[in-house]
Amino acid sequence: GAGVSQSPRYKVAKRGQDVALRCDPISGHVSLFWYQQALGQGPEFLTYFQNEAQLDKSGLPSDRFFAERPEGSVSTLKIQRTQQEDSAVYLCASSQNGLAGTQETQYFGPGTRLLVL
Amino acid sequence: GENVEQHPSTLSVQEGDSAVIKCTYSDSASNYFPWYKQELGKRPQLIIDIRSNVGEKKDQRIAVTLNKTAKHFSLHITETQPEDSAVYFCAAINAGGTSYGKLTFGQGTILTVHP
Repeated sequence: GAGVSQSPRYKVAKRGQDVALRCDPISGHVSLFWYQQALGQGPEFLTYFQNEAQLDKSGLPSDRFFAERPEGSVSTLKIQRTQQEDSAVYLCASSQNGLAGTQETQYFGPGTRLLVL
Repeated sequence: GENVEQHPSTLSVQEGDSAVIKCTYSDSASNYFPWYKQELGKRPQLIIDIRSNVGEKKDQRIAVTLNKTAKHFSLHITETQPEDSAVYFCAAINAGGTSYGKLTFGQGTILTVHP
């Protein structure tokens, strides 16, 4: 079936603009993760959803970052008043179940490359 | 929280040679260790994983070993080919408490296989 998809693939924003990044997980996947990948670095965890519930947002770098998954499928990561340090690739991943301590495979989307000028 | 260190940051080998990438982790509760391959501009793709109840796993030219006592795990690629060139990331999952499977990644290794 279809994998994880993300849109847009590229986004250029002027400093101070708000942006919204979309993730379509694999159909039926309960768990959804957002990661931020700076240039030349490994992905870093931002937030986690189990269905529509945001159970962990400990990785969100500031209150300018907000994520939602209102119907338990598509998720949106919103960044308000973007700053240059927000420039990165934003990756979404999904996995089938939502058990604590899960050892499930996470399937990644292609990412959205955000450049803040 | 979990901390994962990965070495080397770059690795250059000749086609047909073996490549080894090593990672250490800090949280003894971690019990799942996937390896991802990421080509330039592409999504990370799982290539192999290992769970803490086994010490080694092999899939064709790729193998992973885990030493729980020392808290380190390694990726071994044999008979390397130019198409193996990519960035490789190790990761660990902290399985305790309220963790929901979030991955903690290493810094990545840029592998270049020269024809």
